[in-house]
Amino acid sequence: GQNIDQPTEMTATEGAIVQINCTYQTSGFNGLFWYQQHAGEAPTFLSYNVLDGLEEKGRFSSFLSRSKGYSYLLLKELQMKDSASYLCALPGGSYIPTFGRGTSLIVHP
Amino acid sequence: NAGVTQTPKFRVLKTGQSMTLLCAQDMNHEYMYWYRQDPGMGLRLIHYSVGEGTTAKGEVPDGYNVSRLKKQNFLLGLESAAPSQTSVYFCASSYPPAGKPTDTQYFGPGTRLTVL
Repeated sequence: GQNIDQPTEMTATEGAIVQINCTYQTSGFNGLFWYQQHAGEAPTFLSYNVLDGLEEKGRFSSFLSRSKGYSYLLLKELQMKDSASYLCALPGGSYIPTFGRGTSLIVHP
Repeated sequence: NAGVTQTPKFRVLKTGQSMTLLCAQDMNHEYMYWYRQDPGMGLRLIHYSVGEGTTAKGEVPDGYNVSRLKKQNFLLGLESAAPSQTSVYFCASSYPPAGKPTDTQYFGPGTRLTVL
């Protein structure tokens, strides 16, 4: 089975940096996904990590430590449009992903 | 490419009524999924399909049935709707399985269902 834990809600200021954590327990590791979901919309893919380390993609970076069962999403130069839910997901049996409950990020001016 | 589409977008049912949600994808994806999303609960997998003619149960399958008669379509049925099935339903697809590198799930826009 899998267990995924994320903070429920975070707030940050426009222009700042925020780190959203995801801790997990899994019997077999097949990578970790991050998705972004704006209110009333569908989730969209942000990143996929399968090896340890940091992967940078513009203002967004994702980090993975397999030995610690830990990942984080780092958002730099926050913009108001970054207000959304951020979902951590792990593929399990048959590579079917299980999602965490998501972290609601509120960016204020 | 339309990607993943869902019909209807909104629906209100009375307890005991039945309905079918349709998901269609034009990306030739093998895998398709149905999720429900409730406040504070994240996305929970109802059923999934790894190919035409196959279906499997997910985390919360009770009260739902599915069919995948054509590769591009995945239907979710509610035989006797209950208020506990009030939710937002998302369909998704991927090829190959979403656990492979660079392969992600593509989600439809969602169906907002209310059961009174």
